[in-house]
Amino acid sequence: AQTVTQSQPEMSVQEAETVTLSCTYDTSENNYYLFWYKQPPSRQMILVIRQEAYKQQNATENRFSVNFQKAAKSFSLKISDSQLGDTAMYFCAFVLSGSARQLTFGSGTQLTVLP
Amino acid sequence: SAVISQKPSRDICQRGTSLTIQCQVDSQVTMMFWYRQQPGQSLTLIATANQGSEATYESGFVIDKFPISRPNLTFSTLTVSNMSPEDSSIYLCSVDGGGGRGSYEQYFGPGTRLTVT
Repeated sequence: AQTVTQSQPEMSVQEAETVTLSCTYDTSENNYYLFWYKQPPSRQMILVIRQEAYKQQNATENRFSVNFQKAAKSFSLKISDSQLGDTAMYFCAFVLSGSARQLTFGSGTQLTVLP
Repeated sequence: SAVISQKPSRDICQRGTSLTIQCQVDSQVTMMFWYRQQPGQSLTLIATANQGSEATYESGFVIDKFPISRPNLTFSTLTVSNMSPEDSSIYLCSVDGGGGRGSYEQYFGPGTRLTVT
């Protein structure tokens, strides 16, 4: 079974600064996808960024980028120029390639952006 | 990405009763998923609902407690039966984002906040 671990329950960052959220996962498979989701107080789950395991290049979406280390099974999220609207719970998620398509989520990191 | 709505957005129910949550998608999707998010916790998959077949339940969840319907490719319901206070959670539906395009992300509805008294 796959597991996803987020070791930082809470983090804070000053507005306009950069913050990195950590995620590690465990799998014996080779083909999979990784995601970061954001859940603000409105509780809507929003996809932030995705990474295909077969791609060596790290994914980037505007101020959000990942550091994907496949051998280390590490998938961290970097948020640059943090904004107040980035305050949310962030979940790392994993899914195997194949027909089941079931996401496994980490426990989440509560990020607070301070003015 | 798909646009997903859920009804109701929140409800307060008495123990022993049942609540049916609806999930509507603006496009046809093959796979729909139901998750539970207990207070302050992460998401746990309840079941996968494919149109035209029985839902597949994860360990710890049973059909008698969480019956699911999937009558067509844009709609699904989850019923929480014989509720107890331990069922107080946010229930979210999601849809598979890719299908034939090969993408594996899921898109989520806004959730239903259930409180059982």
